[in-house]
Amino acid sequence: GENVEQHPSTLSVQEGDSAVIKCTYSDSASNYFPWYKQELGKGPQLIIDIRSNVGEKKDQRIAVTLNKTAKHFSLHITETQPEDSAVYFCAASTLIGSARQLTFGSGTQLTVLP
Amino acid sequence: DAMVIQNPRYQVTQFGKPVTLSCSQTLNHNVMYWYQQKSSQAPKLLFHYYDKDFNNEADTPDNFQSRRPNTSFCFLDIRSPGLGDAAMYLCATSRDHNQPQHFGDGTRLSIL
Repeated sequence: GENVEQHPSTLSVQEGDSAVIKCTYSDSASNYFPWYKQELGKGPQLIIDIRSNVGEKKDQRIAVTLNKTAKHFSLHITETQPEDSAVYFCAASTLIGSARQLTFGSGTQLTVLP
Repeated sequence: DAMVIQNPRYQVTQFGKPVTLSCSQTLNHNVMYWYQQKSSQAPKLLFHYYDKDFNNEADTPDNFQSRRPNTSFCFLDIRSPGLGDAAMYLCATSRDHNQPQHFGDGTRLSIL
């Protein structure tokens, strides 16, 4: 089955600096890669996603890059703010049986220091 | 406005006492998912409905059941909760497979 590895598990940055979180996946058939932000006591919130026919996608301060050959994708947050502090999960959409399902990475606790 | 609503937000039950968690959606999505999330871990898929078709994960214990009486509502039933079932239970919806999933804020279940 699909295996998604996420690094680092914890990340601290100064406010205004950039943060990068990296994920690798094993199933070359995976074709959809969302990123979720989860604040304490809340459900995961989709912040950006990318499909396998695209190499990069940007939404204001957030960008995602995908390297299909190397099977890795990354989340980039620029000009970080304290409210960016949360747990971030990457995921890969995998075909299991007749349905596609998400396999999540283990999460990254991002702390933005004021 | 919340589009995936889970009730209650916090649920306490006794060891072995059946409990039901509920999820409703205003998105008219075809697919509804139930995930279990334990502390400091990623969400783990328990099962999902595509419309009325139920799809159970191979490693989901028989203790966990689900019902989807209509498009808007989905329930998670835990027949005999054990201490290991204490977790956050998340409901999510998507328009179709391989489409973005939208999560509710979860129900935190405690077992006494």
